[in-house]
Amino acid sequence: DIQMTQSPSSLSASVGDRVTITCRASQGISNYLVWFQQKPGKAPKCLIYGASSLQSGVPSKFSGSGSGTDFSLTISSLQPEDFATYYCQQYNSYPITFGQGTRLEIK
Amino acid sequence: EVQLVESGGGLVQPGGSLRLSCAASGFIFSDHYMDWVRQAPGKGLEWVARVRKKVNSYTTEYAASVKGRFTISRDDSKNSLNLQMNSLKGEDTAVYFCARVAVLGGKYYTDVWGKGTTVIVSS
Repeated sequence: DIQMTQSPSSLSASVGDRVTITCRASQGISNYLVWFQQKPGKAPKCLIYGASSLQSGVPSKFSGSGSGTDFSLTISSLQPEDFATYYCQQYNSYPITFGQGTRLEIK
Repeated sequence: EVQLVESGGGLVQPGGSLRLSCAASGFIFSDHYMDWVRQAPGKGLEWVARVRKKVNSYTTEYAASVKGRFTISRDDSKNSLNLQMNSLKGEDTAVYFCARVAVLGGKYYTDVWGKGTTVIVSS
């Protein structure tokens, strides 16, 4: 199985900040990576697919990059609604696997 | 608007069975693979199962943790996705999400999720 490791596990930031979350795969997955945002008690929301393609309706403040084993999600100009938990997911091979999540909190 | 609405969750004893359903609307259900993903209380996301389309003979994939106990199926005539869960264990306690699968470059990823239904396995 491909293990996905996110860092950091939690992150404190202020409104207006720019933050980056990283995700590392235990083996190469090309660009078959999705980033999700999840708020408490809600379903995950797809932000980025194909490592860098913005899902329809998602603001351009979210951007993704990377290929192979190392990926990142950057969120610019943080707003209160951006404070949530973020997950990466690889879909290169079965079983599909997720990172453990990064909790983004307001400082 | 794409909508996925799960149902069927509840409290079940260890060793028992439960059948989850997901009603899909707002898209051509038969054109998409479909997934079940779960989230244990206070934990991260775990992919559970996938069912492909008719053209792919409705073939399935499962996580090792549920293989042999859970069965994913679909009824395209009813725009419905199902998950039959047998021999339930305490570690199956979770919110179960139904998710639509999109395709890009020959690879398949989940793009839209339902709100989930809660399964509690306890005596």
